[in-house]
Amino acid sequence: EVQLVESGGGLVQPGGSLRLSCAASGFTFSSYWMSWVRQAPGKGLEWVANIKQDGSEKYYVDSVKGRFTISRDNAKNSLYLQMNSLRAEDTAVYYCARDCPYDFCFDYWGQGTLVTVSS
Amino acid sequence: QSVLTQPPSVSGAPGQRVTISCTGSSSNIGAGYDVHWYQQLPGTAPKLLIYGNSNRPSGVPDRFSGSKSGTSASLAITGLQAEDEADYYCQSYDSSLRRVFGGGTELTVL
Repeated sequence: EVQLVESGGGLVQPGGSLRLSCAASGFTFSSYWMSWVRQAPGKGLEWVANIKQDGSEKYYVDSVKGRFTISRDNAKNSLYLQMNSLRAEDTAVYYCARDCPYDFCFDYWGQGTLVTVSS
Repeated sequence: QSVLTQPPSVSGAPGQRVTISCTGSSSNIGAGYDVHWYQQLPGTAPKLLIYGNSNRPSGVPDRFSGSKSGTSASLAITGLQAEDEADYYCQSYDSSLRRVFGGGTELTVL
């Protein structure tokens, strides 16, 4: 059974940093692109970033470029999101998602971790 | 403001058929990229409902169907049930190298 479990969310002040983690199991992690998708309270979904199987390619939504860094450790079956210079508008539930192997979709999602940026 | 446009809400009585539209542009849906649909039940993570415009993952009832034409796509739900009450999101790929979502549609079963 595919499982994605996020951790690392919490309350952080504007300008601060946070590192999210996603532990993957039930599939060959190193064979899939992986993504982070966020959802602000009461709002819709927004793709944040994704990373290729070997980490050689990374893509970001414009609003987080230069502030967020996606990475992975295939030996630990883990995905990460380093978030720096956090802003109030980054407040959201952050989901770890597996990219579909056959199309530009997301076939499995974690339960999400809440990041709140507030003073 | 979302790249893909969905109606904020739709409703229907049990047993009825409802459709949810998703409108894009020439840089995403109109460029030939597939449309995917997700169901988000209250308080839970999204779940892939339809992929590649009209394909259902294993376990998704055939009451759910998808279609695409030009710069738009639609999700249809037939035989509406109370358990279908959820938020529905369409998603595609944009030529700016990013995945894009619709703003979501809240389905109410009357």
